Amino acid sequence: DTGVSQNPRHKITKRGQNVTFRCDPISEHNRLYWYRQTLGQGPEFLTYFQNEAQLEKSRLLSDRFSAERPKGSFSTLEIQRTEQGDSAMYLCATPWGDGNTIYFGEGSWLTVV
Amino acid sequence: QQQVKQSPQSLIVQKGGISIINCAYENTAFDYFPWYQQFPGKGPALLIAIRPDVSEKKEGRFTISFNKSAKQFSLHIMDSQPGDSATYFCAASFKAAGNKLTFGGGTRVLVKP
Repeated sequence: DTGVSQNPRHKITKRGQNVTFRCDPISEHNRLYWYRQTLGQGPEFLTYFQNEAQLEKSRLLSDRFSAERPKGSFSTLEIQRTEQGDSAMYLCATPWGDGNTIYFGEGSWLTVV
Repeated sequence: QQQVKQSPQSLIVQKGGISIINCAYENTAFDYFPWYQQFPGKGPALLIAIRPDVSEKKEGRFTISFNKSAKQFSLHIMDSQPGDSATYFCAASFKAAGNKLTFGGGTRVLVKP
């Protein structure tokens, strides 16, 4: 158990539908990250939060993607008007201890059909 | 631009053998270098990490070797076991960038019994 809970674990949706993923870290660390991982590739950085503030967004995060962390604890990642290219695993991560050690959740698999 | 390059993409090793995975980085600002292990359908799990002021770190059967001048680091898995069969990712981060991780492309390791 990494202390990072992600829901749902799997989601199959039709192209054009909206989906939302949620991340609940046990740690109260002020930073939270989202990554995307496609089959056979390493995780790619999407965005990160310092408390409620979204400090950086990757160019991978198109305007169909929005992330929030309203109370500085849990976070949501919404994808609007899903496309087949959005099919991937979406990973949430938080630091532990000194802040360098990053732990990942089990991920949320998205399949767009 | 891929800032962390990992090789080989895959390797097969006999049980009891040594698995060696190499990574090279470009950004000299990186100051933290973790390795992650990932099993199918799971999120990446932190295995071992090193900072550039240390040339080697060992934890059990896993050793990181670090060469700052060459901007390279490697993971050695000694006495490889079938349970080590997984995908391994090197990564790098630095504090000024919010400690967000930049990952290598991954190495699929298969340990044959």
